[in-house]
Amino acid sequence: NAGVTQTPKFQVLKTGQSMTLQCAQDMNHNSMYWYRQDPGMGLRLIYYSASEGTTDKGEVPNGYNVSRLNKREFSLRLESAAPSQTSVYFCASITGFNSYNSPLHFGNGTRLTVT
Amino acid sequence: AQSVTQLDSHVSVSEGTPVLLRCNYSSSYSPSLFWYVQHPNKGLQLLLKYTSAATLVKGINGFEAEFKKSETSFHLTKPSAHMSDAAEYFCVVSPVMDSSYKLIFGSGTRLLVRP
Repeated sequence: NAGVTQTPKFQVLKTGQSMTLQCAQDMNHNSMYWYRQDPGMGLRLIYYSASEGTTDKGEVPNGYNVSRLNKREFSLRLESAAPSQTSVYFCASITGFNSYNSPLHFGNGTRLTVT
Repeated sequence: AQSVTQLDSHVSVSEGTPVLLRCNYSSSYSPSLFWYVQHPNKGLQLLLKYTSAATLVKGINGFEAEFKKSETSFHLTKPSAHMSDAAEYFCVVSPVMDSSYKLIFGSGTRLLVRP
């Protein structure tokens, strides 16, 4: 029972490089989310996908793009990395959109450093 | 607008003593509230949730929280701390009436448990 799987676990980029963070869930969840975690700031929503085929901006979308490849997979792309994007990135999923009584299931995170 | 405030960034207790992690929320509607725990280098795991069924909510690992509407609080407690409780804890409010399902995370409280 893998749950939510994120790859890679760690990544170091130079300013201006691009990369894609991968996320996959095996729980048949409809909704998926990308958060970033910075010290003292909790988790902030970058993008979310309410269902397959839809994506929407969250609180801090600038500098990122996403793709909901299919129901299982939701990727996050940094086109031109900046030091301000140094963070821990978490993917999460939930059974259904607006399932406000249901908890989010989180991956173990991707630790990204941009130099 | 909804918000959540965790009143302590760090809490330190001795093993076997009670734990109190404080959370205040602001919401225009009766919210759903969650506590999540994050162990080092891990994703977030649900501890417990409040969804208006009962004001005292019991969670995993002996934790519980009490919803107090008059005080707009949802403090997390445990009678006796264990070394394995050392982690970061997040209070989260779900904007029930918001169709975007953008969970709002507190900034986190790091719990240290002294032997």
